[in-house]
Formats: sequence, C-alpha cells, structure tokens
Amino acid sequence: DAGITQSPRHKVTETGTPVTLRCHQTENHRYMYWYRQDPGHGLRLIHYSYGVKDTDKGEVSDGYSVSRSKTEDFLLTLESATSSQTSVYFCAISGSGDRPNYGYTFGSGTRLTVV
Amino acid sequence: SQQGEEDPQALSIQEGENATMNCSYKTSINNLQWYRQNSGRGLVHLILIRSNEREKHSGRLRVTLDTSKKSSSLLITASRAADTASYFCATDDYTGGGNKLTFGTGTQLKVEL
Repeated sequence: DAGITQSPRHKVTETGTPVTLRCHQTENHRYMYWYRQDPGHGLRLIHYSYGVKDTDKGEVSDGYSVSRSKTEDFLLTLESATSSQTSVYFCAISGSGDRPNYGYTFGSGTRLTVV
Repeated sequence: SQQGEEDPQALSIQEGENATMNCSYKTSINNLQWYRQNSGRGLVHLILIRSNEREKHSGRLRVTLDTSKKSSSLLITASRAADTASYFCATDDYTGGGNKLTFGTGTQLKVEL
C-alpha cells in the first residue's frame, strides 16, 4: 500500500529464536499500530505508538516488544518465537500532525511461520 | 476481547444483488468504521460513521448506526464480482492515546457472476 511498507513479507523461523518485523511509512503519521490476524479472531492489537519513543500495549502484547526511534519506523520484536505466534502481522498508520484521522492505512502484511 | 461481531460470517450472492452485513458491539464508541480485505492483502478503509450519526453514504455503500442497540449495518448495492472480499467492522474507543480500533471477526462476501 502506498506510503507504508512491511518487511519481510514472509518469514519462517524456529521456535525460541528472536524475530523482528519492520514497518516503514513515508506519510509522517504520528500513530502506528501492530495487529495480528488469525482465523476466528479477526485482528487483535499487539502494540501501538503515538509518537517517537511513545508506545503502549494492546490486547495481546505478551511475548512482543516494540520500538520507535524515528517517526517513519515501527519495529515489532518477538523475543523468543513460539508456535502460537504463527500468524499474519499487519502494521497500520493513522493521523497527521497532532490529531489522529480516524481511518487506518494498512500495510500488506507479514506472514510469519514458527516451526 | 472482541468488540465487534459481524453477521453473517459468510454471504454468497449474485452480481447485481444487494449485500447486507451487520455488526454488533459491546461498549460505548466514538465512531465505527468498515474495512474491506481482499484475499492475501491488507485492509482498506471504506467508511466511518460517528456516534452522533445515524446513516452515511459513500458511492454504493450505505452504513447505518444504532447506538441504542449497539449495532451497525453495511449495505453494498448492485454488487459486483470485484466486491468479493472480507468485510470488517471496527470500533474506536478513543481515550486520548491514539484512536485504537477493535476489529470484529469479519463477514466473507462472495459475489458470483
């Protein structure tokens, strides 16, 4: 999607290894989010950021950490990957300036498989 | 916890027919949004309706909101094969830390020629 890219698009990793997913935006949006999508659960919020170095937990944050050192990059780290973290991960952005616009723009997703 | 629940889970219709999908939610909201997801892709924002609005239109889309029943409906008129996708409602419980959205589990729409 225009203005937001996720990398990698696909990854297979072994249980117990750390994994970092990257979200990069060129829209200068303040708000960034990480969701995971699983069958039967829809999308669930993992972590979000409301500014550089300002982050907070979402609904399913256990086992995940995030960092945002620049406006354009939001990193999601699985500290020690488990099979339950096999999922499709989506990054989203919203807002401009100091006020959020309510609609999200989503990235294309990262399909992560933990074996 | 799931805020929005869509109904039906799956819907199959013929091209040219109207498609209606419903969303129920549990808590007070600031606004409700609908998104479309084509297979293997990210979600695309379709329309937003604020809590003080009852109906909103955008092209072939019509959204209604009933805050007393905590429910919303999305109507797609004159459907096309290209409308085949999953549709999600999402609610905004804005608390000042960013407009975090809670998504439902989605309705899979199939439009057949």
